[in-house]
Amino acid sequence: GAGVSQTPSNKVTEKGKYVELRCDPISGHTALYWYRQSLGQGPEFLIYFQGTGAADDSGLPNDRFFAVRPEGSVSTLKIQRTERGDSAMYLCASSKTGEAETQYFGPGTRLLVL
Amino acid sequence: SQQGEEDPQALSIQEGENATMNCSYKTSINNLQWYRQNSGRGLVHLILIRSNEREKHSGRLRVTLDTSKKSSSLLITASRAADTASYFCAPGAGSYQLTFGKGTKLSVIP
Repeated sequence: GAGVSQTPSNKVTEKGKYVELRCDPISGHTALYWYRQSLGQGPEFLIYFQGTGAADDSGLPNDRFFAVRPEGSVSTLKIQRTERGDSAMYLCASSKTGEAETQYFGPGTRLLVL
Repeated sequence: SQQGEEDPQALSIQEGENATMNCSYKTSINNLQWYRQNSGRGLVHLILIRSNEREKHSGRLRVTLDTSKKSSSLLITASRAADTASYFCAPGAGSYQLTFGKGTKLSVIP
């Protein structure tokens, strides 16, 4: 079956602009996660959705970052007033209910803020 | 959540050789997972080993877990050029937050 998909695969934007990154989880997976990976580092947790609600957004670095999942499937990570330090790979993952330990990752969106 | 630390940071071997990478962690876990990441793309789940298991196999992969030493190892036998990737461990204590170290960057030379 189809895995997690993310669009766009690459995004180049200018400092101060607004960007949206999209994640389509595996069909039927109720849990969805966003991670951010800087160059040479491992992924870092940003936010976790169970269904439509953000169960844990403790990893979001500041209030410029926001994520939604209005229908419990597709999720959008939104970054306002982008800064050069936001440049990173943004990874989305999903898992089945009760199986949070096994997360399936998408290919990621590489964001470059000029 | 807790972070695993992979060692070595980089490993270069010839095709056909075995590759061993290690993971250390600091507190008690329920399980430990290994992931692979090719060329900075998404992570691929390789194997999960539970705290009551000592060894697990999947194809050319062999994972060991020593909870007394708080360490795990991933062995890739008969390596191939396609195994070139970064490998991350994620110790789990029941949290949905996977926490990764910097990974081991494996290069398999044809």
